[in-house]
Amino acid sequence: GAGVSQSPRYKVTKRGQDVTLRCDPISSHATLYWYQQALGQGPEFLTYFNYEAQPDKSGLPSDRFSAERPEGSISTLTIQRTEQRDSAMYRCASSLDRGSYEQYFGPGTRLTVT
Amino acid sequence: GQQVMQIPQYQHVQEGEDFTTYCNSSTTLSNIQWYKQRPGGHPVFLIQLVKSGEVKKQKRLTFQFGEAKKNSSLHITATQTTDVGTYFCAGGGSNDMRFGAGTRLTVKP
Repeated sequence: GAGVSQSPRYKVTKRGQDVTLRCDPISSHATLYWYQQALGQGPEFLTYFNYEAQPDKSGLPSDRFSAERPEGSISTLTIQRTEQRDSAMYRCASSLDRGSYEQYFGPGTRLTVT
Repeated sequence: GQQVMQIPQYQHVQEGEDFTTYCNSSTTLSNIQWYKQRPGGHPVFLIQLVKSGEVKKQKRLTFQFGEAKKNSSLHITATQTTDVGTYFCAGGGSNDMRFGAGTRLTVKP
């Protein structure tokens, strides 16, 4: 595709509900990243994929957070039993490969937990 | 784990003045990347530095990577209103990239 896309762009959910966010990376890109970005802060690493493999989940805040990329292209980030502190911008980025390659960011999903 | 600190958090300048943001890491970095995020936008890649002591220029922007590969700076000469935004550094370690908190630049015309 022309760039990284994410959906939905905005999500408002009630505390305790599950949410699933979607990322569609640039088609030729092997590596996909998920970040959480609070207002006025830099992107905070959550996890990444190399194709369908998920070598690093160290940034996931708790076991309520999980991510998948089953066919090595589209990825989803699921937050179970959402809490108010989960409210943030969730950004996806992709790059050609792991390592020293620029990351292309999507527009993000603004999640608000009420 | 690896941490990347960035200062200052905010910088307000008069148009035409210079601007510098600094990035420091607690560990040696394999590379450093700089991104710009316009208000309401998403981070956009500016440049990557890999070599110790490397200096790169993009028009009015000058990027430096320290000799020890633990710090970096971005300097903008003669700022313009189009430079407004938040500038992030992202440091590459052995396995990951970590972003600084960013420096938010505002420019008064």
